[in-house]
Amino acid sequence: AQSVTQPDIHITVSEGASLELRCNYSYGATPYLFWYVQSPGQGLQLLLKYFSGDTLVQGIKGFEAEFKRSQSSFNLRKPSVHWSDAAEYFCAVGAISTGNQFYFGTGTSLTVIP
Amino acid sequence: DARVTQTPRHKVTEMGQEVTMRCQPILGHNTVFWYRQTMMQGLELLAYFRNRAPLDDSGMPKDRFSAEMPDATLATLKIQPSEPRDSAVYFCASGLAGELFFGEGSRLTVL
Repeated sequence: AQSVTQPDIHITVSEGASLELRCNYSYGATPYLFWYVQSPGQGLQLLLKYFSGDTLVQGIKGFEAEFKRSQSSFNLRKPSVHWSDAAEYFCAVGAISTGNQFYFGTGTSLTVIP
Repeated sequence: DARVTQTPRHKVTEMGQEVTMRCQPILGHNTVFWYRQTMMQGLELLAYFRNRAPLDDSGMPKDRFSAEMPDATLATLKIQPSEPRDSAVYFCASGLAGELFFGEGSRLTVL
């Protein structure tokens, strides 16, 4: 069965500190992997995506993520967090081969303290 | 700047009333998804369409919810009759080639 796990419900980091948000997936087909960010009262915005090729992908707002097939993980990282990064982050997995079905994790809420 | 447009952005209604939410997907996108977001359940997939045909609506309570795509520029999600437990934010998303773009959501409150 397909699933996405984000083990951290809530994370607090200091501004300027590094960040890593974890994501593990279970997917039968070759997965497409995504990270989305949701600010309060807003829809989900795509941060980055992995389809194939280089396993380290760069996204918007200085975020990057690394696909590790052996660990079924797609962790999101940022070297230096800004206060504006406070938001909810969702990992998602999907594949055209399964009719573009997408599965989302439960999200990680990020708080940034000064 | 292409975007998914949802209406209404906010809706307050009384239990038992019919609610219709509308979505205009990005032109050229061939998949449309409806999600419901609540604090307790997170993001739940209600239904999705490819090339206007419904592919999966197993996440949707069939007795009261219905989703349609009367044409390529409009997707609708209808609740009849509405109940307080339907209070949530409903998101529409459209996609092409494996990537999803979300609307800003319709916040529904059923009293």
